Amino acid sequence: EVQLLESGGGLVPPGGSLRLSCAASGFTFRTYAMNWVRQGTGKGLEWVSVISGSGGTIEYADSVKGRFTISRDNSKNTVYLEMISLRAEETAVYYCAKGRAGGARDVFDVWGQGTTVTVSS
Amino acid sequence: DIQMTQSPSTLSASVGDRVTITCRASQSISAYLAWYQQKPGEAPKLLITKASNLESGVPSRFSGSGSGTEFTLTISSLQPDDCASYYCQQYNSYSPFTFGPGTKVDLK
Repeated sequence: EVQLLESGGGLVPPGGSLRLSCAASGFTFRTYAMNWVRQGTGKGLEWVSVISGSGGTIEYADSVKGRFTISRDNSKNTVYLEMISLRAEETAVYYCAKGRAGGARDVFDVWGQGTTVTVSS
Repeated sequence: DIQMTQSPSTLSASVGDRVTITCRASQSISAYLAWYQQKPGEAPKLLITKASNLESGVPSRFSGSGSGTEFTLTISSLQPDDCASYYCQQYNSYSPFTFGPGTKVDLK
């Protein structure tokens, strides 16, 4: 069974940092792009970042460029999202989502259950 | 960047009703449009890709159509299990991914 399990969420003060992880199982991890998508409470979905299967292609939403870093360790079947200079408005559930293809540009066919990030003093 | 809009933002309908949600892109995205369903407290679920391709296991009462800048998601006969929020997403090659703001569907 294909599964994604996020971890690393928590309470962080404004300006603080956090590293999210997403452990994948049930598929050949290195073959597929991986994404992070966030959702504020009662709000819609916002795509954050994508990394291709090889790691050679990385893209970010303008709102997080320069502050968030996506990476992956194909030997550990894990994708990461390093977040610095966090803002209160970035309080959200952060989802890890598998891309259908290896390249960076395809739909998200499997989602994790999400991890909650709360940015507050 | 390509902006996505959806209408209506909320929709109340009765069991058995035909329901249509519209999604518009600020510029042509060909057919690179997906639809997701999200129930409260759950992660989104992929329903439709390439504007009209139904995912395996998705009930046939769901269908999608459109190309270019205007797209629709139709539920031919609304069921209680369909009460959820629906999001369109563009995945055109030349722009970052963007989602529509969502449409909440509930029972009248």
